[in-house]
Amino acid sequence: GNSVTQMEGPVTLSEEAFLTINCTYTATGYPSLFWYVQYPGEGLQLLLKATKADDKGSNKGFEATYRKETTSFHLEKGSVQVSDSAVYFCALRGSARQLTFGSGTQLTVLP
Amino acid sequence: EAQVTQNPRYLITVTGKKLTVTCSQNMNHEYMSWYRQDPGLGLRQIYYSMNVEVTDKGDVPEGYKVSRKEKRNFPLILESPSPNQTSLYFCASSSVDTQYFGPGTRLTVL
Repeated sequence: GNSVTQMEGPVTLSEEAFLTINCTYTATGYPSLFWYVQYPGEGLQLLLKATKADDKGSNKGFEATYRKETTSFHLEKGSVQVSDSAVYFCALRGSARQLTFGSGTQLTVLP
Repeated sequence: EAQVTQNPRYLITVTGKKLTVTCSQNMNHEYMSWYRQDPGLGLRQIYYSMNVEVTDKGDVPEGYKVSRKEKRNFPLILESPSPNQTSLYFCASSSVDTQYFGPGTRLTVL
């Protein structure tokens, strides 16, 4: 079956630091890949997505590139802000619409 | 405004007392689903529905029921809740390529 593995947290960074959250996946076929963000006390919001190999998703300064050869979809941001503090989930969608999520990575950005 | 709503947002109950968590979406989506979120486990799908009167089990369906009598509503039913169902629950509604999540229902079963 499908699975998603993302780096364990928590991750603590200073403001303006570079962020990488690793995500790798196992899936048959050609899944779509997503990053969701969950701010404290809220539901999940779609952050970015990529639907085919070599696609780059981007939003709010975050980026992730769909790498089929390494089955990865790492999330990056060049300069994090305190407001980026949240839990980040990597997810994939296979042939059905069911999403398979990673376990989530808690990010805390300190001023 | 496009949204998914859930009620209640918080619920404390006791073992065995039937409860229903409602979910409603205003985007005319056919696909809806329920997830539970537990620390270290991410989100796991409980049930999903491809359309009215069409429901199917997700990864962790035991102890839950759902119904889909109307396109906009997808309630989650716990006939006899147990403490291991204490969790944070999310309803989601999906277009072709994006899932929209509700704000969550935090359930505690004593």
